[in-house]
Order: sequence, then structure tokens, then C-alpha cells
Amino acid sequence: DTGVSQNPRHKITKRGQNVTFRCDPISEHNRLYWYRQTLGQGPEFLTYFQNEAQLEKSRLLSDRFSAERPKGSFSTLEIQRTEQGDSAMYLCASSLEDRGGNTIYFGEGSWLTVV
Amino acid sequence: DAKTTQPPSMDCAEGRAANLPCNHSTISGNEYVYWYRQIHSQGPQYIIHGLKNNETNEMASLIITEDRKSSTLILPHATLRDTAVYYCIVRTLNSAGSKLTFGKGITLSVRP
Repeated sequence: DTGVSQNPRHKITKRGQNVTFRCDPISEHNRLYWYRQTLGQGPEFLTYFQNEAQLEKSRLLSDRFSAERPKGSFSTLEIQRTEQGDSAMYLCASSLEDRGGNTIYFGEGSWLTVV
Repeated sequence: DAKTTQPPSMDCAEGRAANLPCNHSTISGNEYVYWYRQIHSQGPQYIIHGLKNNETNEMASLIITEDRKSSTLILPHATLRDTAVYYCIVRTLNSAGSKLTFGKGITLSVRP
């Protein structure tokens, strides 16, 4: 257990429905990352936050995806109008950003199946 | 794009050392080498990282060549639970490049 908590761990939803995932990072970690991983592939970067500011978004993050970190603590990733291609594991990670070669810690992921 | 090259797979016998190679010939002076592993259906697990010097912790050792163009992760006594996908990643620490960019990794199979 790295201390990064993700909920729910598994979600099955019908195509067209909205889903939301929550991530609670390690306390005092100021950076929070979201990744997506499909079967047989490495994790792909989606977005990251420094405190409450969203500093970078991948082109993979279509306009149906939105991520927030309103108070600089937990974060949510919402997918609107889900499609079957959204089926994947969504990973959250956090780190304490400094100059010293810090470490990014991942949660166990949230599996999404769109039927 | 990932800046590292790893063989797709390798195996080793339980109890023996597993030496996982990684090429990163275009690494810059301010880029660290990180290793993570991912056991099936779990999140990536941090193993070790280094800049220039060799590093060792309770999980593994990281050997970085003097020119920093390649490195080797060493699991000194592999167990069946070390069977996983291992990712070698180079990472800068400035604001723009702080994320990890994963490639396909190397699948290590530890056989009894």
C-alpha cells in the first residue's frame, strides 16, 4: 500500500453514462497525476496538478474528460458520455515535488468497463 | 515518446540474479533513470532511481554506465513474486517534464 487511494476500484457502466473516479493522494504531496492504461500497454499520461492548478493535459484527454483538484488535496476524474474505448484502468499517482529526484507513487487503479 | 529501449521479455531461475538491461542513449545531463514494475492488475510500484552513481536499496541495485547511455536493474535473488513488467524511464525534474513516460517495459518471468 503506497498511501494513494483510488475509488471505486471497479466500475461497470453502460455506454453514454457518466462516471467519476476519486483519488486521495499521500498527504502533503503537492503533485497529483492521472494515467490511463489499456491491456498490454504501459500507462499513458493524462494530466497532472500542482496543488490545485492543472499544469498539463495530454491530447488523450478529450473534451469528455475533466479532472479537478479543488482544494489541492483529493482529485476527481470525470468521463462524460462514456464510450467502449474508454474501458481501461485509470491510475492516480502523487509526489512531493522538489529538486532532489523525488518519487512518484501510484495507487492501485480504478478499472472501468463500458458495456 | 519513451526515451528508453528494453528487450520485450526475459526469464530467470528462482534464486538467481535477474539483470534487466535498458538503453537510454539520448539521456540528458539533468535526466534521472527510474525503474518501476507492475504486477498483473496492480498499479506501478517504484523500485529505484539514479542520476550518475550506482544505487542500491532493499529491492534492487541500479548500475548506470559511466557515459549514462545504459543501465541495468539487478534483482539479486529473484523470487516468483518478482514476475512482472519492469519499466525503465528517464525523467527530468523541471516543471514541464516532471511526468513519467512509460514504454512497453520488459516482462520478467521467474521460473521455479
